[in-house]
Amino acid sequence: KAGVTQTPRYLIKTRGQQVTLSCSPISGHRSVSWYQQTPGQGLQFLFEYFSETQRNKGNFPGRFSGRQFSNSRSEMNVSTLELGDSALYLCASSLGPGQGPEGTEAFFGQGTRLTVV
Amino acid sequence: AQSVTQLGSHVSVSEGALVLLRCNYSSSVPPYLFWYVQYPNQGLQLLLKYTSAATLVKGINGFEAEFKKSETSFHLTKPSAHMSDAAEYFCAGRRGGSQGNLIFGKGTKLSVKP
Repeated sequence: KAGVTQTPRYLIKTRGQQVTLSCSPISGHRSVSWYQQTPGQGLQFLFEYFSETQRNKGNFPGRFSGRQFSNSRSEMNVSTLELGDSALYLCASSLGPGQGPEGTEAFFGQGTRLTVV
Repeated sequence: AQSVTQLGSHVSVSEGALVLLRCNYSSSVPPYLFWYVQYPNQGLQLLLKYTSAATLVKGINGFEAEFKKSETSFHLTKPSAHMSDAAEYFCAGRRGGSQGNLIFGKGTKLSVKP
């Protein structure tokens, strides 16, 4: 079974631009979550989608947004990029609610390394 | 509020020695706890999980963790370190129940000396 796929792996963007990151979950997984990882703040939760609906949201500004498609694939978008947005963005997929203990497991992709210059 | 604390940002052991990485959690509800490993420029790989079925949990690569409610701890151990274990390890819990978002500790970087 294929794992979580994130594209692209690396991105370099200029301050003020916007960026879209993509995540394809494990087949059969309907929940997708996004996390930002930086040396200073560690791993921080951005948002979670299940069945095309945002179920949960972290404490990030409105410049960070996401969506989920009917095939469970997800995208996140960051507008008006700032230097502080440079980070590793990780996507995680899980079965979703009502799936017992196995539903609590989250499997991560390789991440997208975003550098804002 | 639930939080996860990892004691020690850096642990160094000799090859063949015991590995002990510490994690404490605070929560008012039964926890769902996990250990992940991250190699440089990679994502997170799930090592093991606790979901109240058994207090001693065995994971991949010879790692195991024991859930101790009285100590609110979920420490990760491996009897004999291997060079390939050098990586960063994260303890995580789910906020507010089985489907809450993951809350991560700050991570512990494990070095293994030959």
